[in-house]
Amino acid sequence: EAQVTQNPRYLITVTGKKLTVTCSQNMNHEYMSWYRQDPGLGLRQIYYSMNVEVTDKGDVPEGYKVSRKEKRNFPLILESPSPNQTSLYFCASSSRVRGTDTQYFGPGTRLTVL
Amino acid sequence: GENVEQHPSTLSVQEGDSAVIKCTYSDSASNYFPWYKQELGKRPQLIIDIRSNVGEKKDQRIAVTLNKTAKHFSLHITETQPEDSAVYFCAATITGFQKLVFGTGTRLLVSP
Repeated sequence: EAQVTQNPRYLITVTGKKLTVTCSQNMNHEYMSWYRQDPGLGLRQIYYSMNVEVTDKGDVPEGYKVSRKEKRNFPLILESPSPNQTSLYFCASSSRVRGTDTQYFGPGTRLTVL
Repeated sequence: GENVEQHPSTLSVQEGDSAVIKCTYSDSASNYFPWYKQELGKRPQLIIDIRSNVGEKKDQRIAVTLNKTAKHFSLHITETQPEDSAVYFCAATITGFQKLVFGTGTRLLVSP
């Protein structure tokens, strides 16, 4: 089954404790992105990757890091989480081929930073 | 950069009525406009999209229109049903750049 998976789905942590949210897709997509969703603000892009070893900042990259060492994986790293990073996070992937470039979203990770 | 505005933020209709959600974008280079539906606790799912080389696209009860000159696009849902209740997001991007910019969402409530 074609899918985007994220882990963990729910996480409660404390300020300053490094964490990683994993994202994996099995559709051989070149593009992957991370978004955060906050009430009244919609979905805002954090980082995106056009291919292996190619990443770029989205609209709200501060406090986050990413890596793309393999095509299927795109982990989101919070080196020193803060309460303002409490949010719902979605990973997404898509093909680069026009006409099939729909972004498919993972199930989401609800993060709470105390 | 691109900015997408979406209205209204909430929309209540009776079952069987039509619903219209409107979005405007700022970057005239944007050429791909998807619409996503997000049910409570679920991930956003694409329901329809339109590219800048067409003005309208339909899929059963759902249609999207695009006015490139005015830089706005709209989602039309006809014969609404309770299962259409969800949050709807519009988005805009330039194909190949993958920097999808979303509107702030419209909460649609369809009452039986």
